[in-house]
Amino acid sequence: KNEVEQSPQNLTAQEGEFITINCSYSVGISALHWLQQHPGGGIVSLFMLSSGKKKHGRLIATINIQEKHSSLHITASHPRDSAVYICAVSFISNFGNEKLTFGTGTRLTIIP
Amino acid sequence: DGGITQSPKYLFRKEGQNVTLSCEQNLNHDAMYWYRQDPGQGLRLIYYSQIVNDFQKGDIAEGYSVSREKKESFPLTVTSAQKNPTAFYLCASSDGQGVNSYNEQFFGPGTRLTVL
Repeated sequence: KNEVEQSPQNLTAQEGEFITINCSYSVGISALHWLQQHPGGGIVSLFMLSSGKKKHGRLIATINIQEKHSSLHITASHPRDSAVYICAVSFISNFGNEKLTFGTGTRLTIIP
Repeated sequence: DGGITQSPKYLFRKEGQNVTLSCEQNLNHDAMYWYRQDPGQGLRLIYYSQIVNDFQKGDIAEGYSVSREKKESFPLTVTSAQKNPTAFYLCASSDGQGVNSYNEQFFGPGTRLTVL
């Protein structure tokens, strides 16, 4: 069973600050996902990556397969970035289907 | 607009009653999933379905049941056998199936179930 650890659990920062959220996992994976959950509860997929780095707007996700570690960065943070960020890892089960294991999330609050 | 809908958003149930949560998708996805979210814990898989008329138990299936009679619908029934049903329930879907197939999962807005 894959264990997924996120840090920090809670993060409060001033608007404009550079944000880093970390994710570590214990066994080999097919892909790693970064998800965003807003206060209403709905979840949006931000990135799915299996190597290297991906960028979308002010968000950057990196993964180091050898170290089993991923980071999510937010540049020029804004109050609308306030949300829970969830890391999830996927692997192919013995039955050939994808299974996801989720971290507990990092609650980010950006203060104006 | 393509997406996943869940209804209702909030649901209250008396102890001992069964309740069914709806999940519908118009993304033409083969696979659908039900997750449960509790405070301080990661999402946990209840049931999943890779194709119509087929579904598999996830990690915490006890006290739950599902059906997959149509590709676009995957309702979840929380039965009276579920000992601690108060939680936030999320439905998701993804395209593709089979070996070495990993795909982005799209999530619905969730249903918050409270047992009184």
